[in-house]
Amino acid sequence: GAVVSQHPSWVICKSGTSVKIECRSLDFQATTMFWYRQFPKQSLMLMATSNEGSKATYEQGVEKDKFLINHASLTLSTLTVTSAHPEDSSFYICSATGPLGYTFGSGTRLTVV
Amino acid sequence: KNEVEQSPQNLTAQEGEFITINCSYSVGISALHWLQQHPGGGIVSLFMLSSGKKKHGRLIATINIQEKHSSLHITASHPRDSAVYICAVDRGGADGLTFGKGTHLIIQP
Repeated sequence: GAVVSQHPSWVICKSGTSVKIECRSLDFQATTMFWYRQFPKQSLMLMATSNEGSKATYEQGVEKDKFLINHASLTLSTLTVTSAHPEDSSFYICSATGPLGYTFGSGTRLTVV
Repeated sequence: KNEVEQSPQNLTAQEGEFITINCSYSVGISALHWLQQHPGGGIVSLFMLSSGKKKHGRLIATINIQEKHSSLHITASHPRDSAVYICAVDRGGADGLTFGKGTHLIIQP
């Protein structure tokens, strides 16, 4: 089946530092990767859409300079939270469209202290 | 008003009960997804529907395109079914999915 591997599953970082989250499609090519954020008891909200080899498209209200997305290959997309602040603490999850429809990564719980 | 509304938000039931979770949406869609989110956050895709009904084991999903409504049913519920169930719609463009807030289901032994 289609698998998306997301790492790390959880991370704690200090304010002002940067954190990189990786999503890899293991057995299919993910032309498009979606990045979502979920605050406690809230819906998943789309942050950005990345297409391999081109710039990501960010949703309104999402700072592109703060949430850097790189989709350099058909199997790897990364989200870097730069200069992290406590309000960035959230659950981040990626999703790719593959042969079986949408496949989700396992998510990354980010805590900024 | 959210584009995807789920009900109930929370549901506690006894093992063995028949469970129904509802989803209504207000936009045109190409498909509707039912997802299961476990306490650790991981998400599993249960169904993708564009019409009619699908069944997988004890899970049944139905959709009525005209009424913009879908239901997820769980028969003979079990404590391991306890999770958050999320309805999400695909509007067919390149915008990813739009999610409901989820239904937090607890099945008590």
